[in-house]
Amino acid sequence: QKEVEQNSGPLSVPEGAIASLNCTYSDRGSQSFFWYRQYSGKSPELIMFIYSNGDKEDGRFTAQLNKASQYVSLLIRDSQPSDSATYLCAGVITTGTASKLTFGTGTRLQVTL
Amino acid sequence: GAVVSQHPSRVICKSGTSVKIECRSLDFQATTMFWYRQFPKQSLMLMATSNEGSKATYEQGVEKDKFLINHASLTLSTLTVTSAHPEDSSFYICSARPVQRGTDTQYFGPGTRLTVL
Repeated sequence: QKEVEQNSGPLSVPEGAIASLNCTYSDRGSQSFFWYRQYSGKSPELIMFIYSNGDKEDGRFTAQLNKASQYVSLLIRDSQPSDSATYLCAGVITTGTASKLTFGTGTRLQVTL
Repeated sequence: GAVVSQHPSRVICKSGTSVKIECRSLDFQATTMFWYRQFPKQSLMLMATSNEGSKATYEQGVEKDKFLINHASLTLSTLTVTSAHPEDSSFYICSARPVQRGTDTQYFGPGTRLTVL
């Protein structure tokens, strides 16, 4: 079982709709999670991170974390064609004093006109 | 803030040559930098964790003698691909984690696209 799992998509939503991206993780010890957006041929850019159970809002983005169910989600409100990209979910895996991000394979989002 | 640069952005080299890629945190200090590789239509794969002033920690299956990492300062890490071969052609991306305690956030550089002929 992969440590962080995402549906590869593509997830297609019409412009103006809410896009819902989901991610599950296997390590109950993971405490913090990140969402990155990656356009084709570019490197990932940070959208937001979440540490606590519940919702965290930043503009059109809302991250949700449910540690009991081990899932993280990202909602994008009022989706725009410029939101079309691959969204990477990452969890922090800590081994001893070292920590690193483990990425899911990403979900490709297509926002259609 | 939190800008990471990489140089070069693109490199084409002949098989058997070595290529050095630089990763710099421009407006923050980073005790830890990470090197990733991404093949087309695949996710990021962590190659190694680079700690300032100490040896890098390599992920399983990554040859440390082939991918040499140096993290000489709090703002610079380098990756040298030695004796590159066509199968090393990939998108190499570094990230840097700020020094501040309590943050696991990594900021990514723009990546280096390596093509080995």
